[in-house]
Amino acid sequence: QVQLQESGPGLVKPSETLSLTCTVSGGSITYYWSWIRQSPGKGLEWIGQIYNSGSTIYNPSLRSRVTISGDTSKNQLSLKLSSVTAADTAVYYCVRHSGVYYFGMDVWGQGTTVTVSS
Amino acid sequence: QSALTQPPSVSGSPGQSVTISCTGTSSDVGSYNRVSWYQQPPGTAPKLMIYEVSNRPSGVPDRFSGSKSGNTASLTISGLQAEDEADYYCSLYTSSNTYVFGTGTKVTVL
Repeated sequence: QVQLQESGPGLVKPSETLSLTCTVSGGSITYYWSWIRQSPGKGLEWIGQIYNSGSTIYNPSLRSRVTISGDTSKNQLSLKLSSVTAADTAVYYCVRHSGVYYFGMDVWGQGTTVTVSS
Repeated sequence: QSALTQPPSVSGSPGQSVTISCTGTSSDVGSYNRVSWYQQPPGTAPKLMIYEVSNRPSGVPDRFSGSKSGNTASLTISGLQAEDEADYYCSLYTSSNTYVFGTGTKVTVL
């Protein structure tokens, strides 16, 4: 059974780059994956997707600041978000897109909280 | 692509049915059956409940059903139970190959 574990600094300073890692266990990262975030008390926001281990597509509203990549040797995905502000404070989730339940995201990490503050 | 519109909250007594709407436009929800629904109990990660408008993944109770009419998709919970109390989000895979979520609905079991 595939399991996802997000990790990274819980505190990032404004204007710096947020960097998170998602470790995939029980499966390969040669699949479709997304990063999703949820600001405190708010709804879900799709950040972007990586597939075929390297192709990416991003939320237009974040495209200029986001980079998603994959490391097949470590079975890890990464998220980098540059020039962060307090508005980027959120719980960040790594998720897998189902190969069976089309357009659905069927495996979610537990999420990692990132606070942007000086 | 703006967020899909959901009612902020719905409520019902145990055993009753509640329906959550998810409204888009003729260009998105109205044109494609790429709508999913997620359940998020407090303090937990979301869980896939419905995919492609009306299909249930394995393990999801048949009390949960999805449908679509025009530009609005809906999630209905029949025979409401206390454990159904959670936030619910719809999601759409857009024609631009991106995803957009709904604004979210809090379901309260009275």
